[in-house]
Amino acid sequence: GESVGLHLPTLSVQEGDNSIINCAYSNSASDYFIWYKQESGKGPQFIIDIRSNMDKRQGQRVTVLLNKTVKHLSLQIAATQPGDSAVYFCAENGDTGNQFYFGTGTSLTVIP
Amino acid sequence: DAGITQSPRYKITETGRQVTLMCHQTWSHSYMFWYRQDLGHGLRLIYYSAAADITDKGEVPDGYVVSRSKTENFPLTLESATRSQTSVYFCASRLEYTDTQYFGPGTRLTVL
Repeated sequence: GESVGLHLPTLSVQEGDNSIINCAYSNSASDYFIWYKQESGKGPQFIIDIRSNMDKRQGQRVTVLLNKTVKHLSLQIAATQPGDSAVYFCAENGDTGNQFYFGTGTSLTVIP
Repeated sequence: DAGITQSPRYKITETGRQVTLMCHQTWSHSYMFWYRQDLGHGLRLIYYSAAADITDKGEVPDGYVVSRSKTENFPLTLESATRSQTSVYFCASRLEYTDTQYFGPGTRLTVL
């Protein structure tokens, strides 16, 4: 299977600070990437996506950066809030596009 | 706005029993997916379906059976449950020609 990994399993940030969550992927054929947020006891929730023809994509308080050269993507959350506390997953679509490969997740804790 | 629902939300069963997890979506999405989520492995695809009566294996299909007689339903059956199948199971769906998957709330299955 694919190898989608995260550099840090846990991250703690102060409320109001910016958060950066990193992800490495292994399949250079992947052309679509998604970040999901998963709160305790709930299913993953779509946050933002990016295609391989882009380097950066911005949403509301979130930005995803894609570096295809080193097969790395990151999720930046601006002005982190307590409601942002969750596990964040990156996912890549691999070769076929029908199967997504998920990382193990980074647990983000926001300190009030 | 029901979206995607799963039942039961919690299930305890014994080794060797047959268990069926239900997934229902109201969006008329053509694609549906079953994942299992385990610590240290993230989300892994079990089976997916591109349309009614079309199913295909994912990364970890052994021990599971799926069917899809109607577009809105995608049940997952464990024909003879084993302890290694203790996990949280997520159903997801997406529209054809799009990539974003939307997840249900999950079913926590314990096999004793």
